Amino acid sequence: EAGVTQFPSHSVIEKGQTVTLRCDPISGHDNLYWYRRVMGKEIKFLLHFVKESKQDESGMPNNRFLAERTGGTYSTLKVQPAELEDSGVYFCASSRLGGLLGTDTQYFGPGTRLTVL
Amino acid sequence: KNQVEQSPQSLIILEGKNCTLQCNYTVSPFSNLRWYKQDTGRGPVSLTIMTFSENTKSNGRYTATLDADTKQSSLHITASQLSDSASYICVVSFPGGSYIPTFGRGTSLIVHP
Repeated sequence: EAGVTQFPSHSVIEKGQTVTLRCDPISGHDNLYWYRRVMGKEIKFLLHFVKESKQDESGMPNNRFLAERTGGTYSTLKVQPAELEDSGVYFCASSRLGGLLGTDTQYFGPGTRLTVL
Repeated sequence: KNQVEQSPQSLIILEGKNCTLQCNYTVSPFSNLRWYKQDTGRGPVSLTIMTFSENTKSNGRYTATLDADTKQSSLHITASQLSDSASYICVVSFPGGSYIPTFGRGTSLIVHP
């Protein structure tokens, strides 16, 4: 079974540009999560999809970030326009639906390292 | 101040030795507590998941304990191996639709031969 994949693995852009990150979850996983780790800090939750619907996007920093999950399969996270503070590692994770008290195992992708100059 | 604090920040041990990592949290109420292992350049990998009503969970040489009264969790690694060198992250989730997780900053473990 293929794991969670993310593309690209690295992205270097200039302030003001647009970047789109992609995540392909494990096949059959309805839950998809985006997280971000800014250098020197802990990983933080950004948002949660259940199939194609946004279950919770309370962690999204501002309206420069737009996440979509077309058809409930892969997801994209667009940052437009990018700012210096957006630099960090963006992780995607997926899990099957269900799990008592939110205990479904989340499988993480390797992350996309974004650098904004 | 982060709601999930881990200690020590880093730890160096010799191969074959045991070690214990600590996690103190202030998130309340919470629904579950997870421990992850993260190798350099990779995403976190789930080690254990405990609900608030559980007090221990094992996964091979990894054993997590939870004391909900003191809001503390420990991850004990037995007979360490070189491949255990990684960052270990404690995550506490709020109850609710998404069980929004709060991550600790992790403990960096280095196992020397």
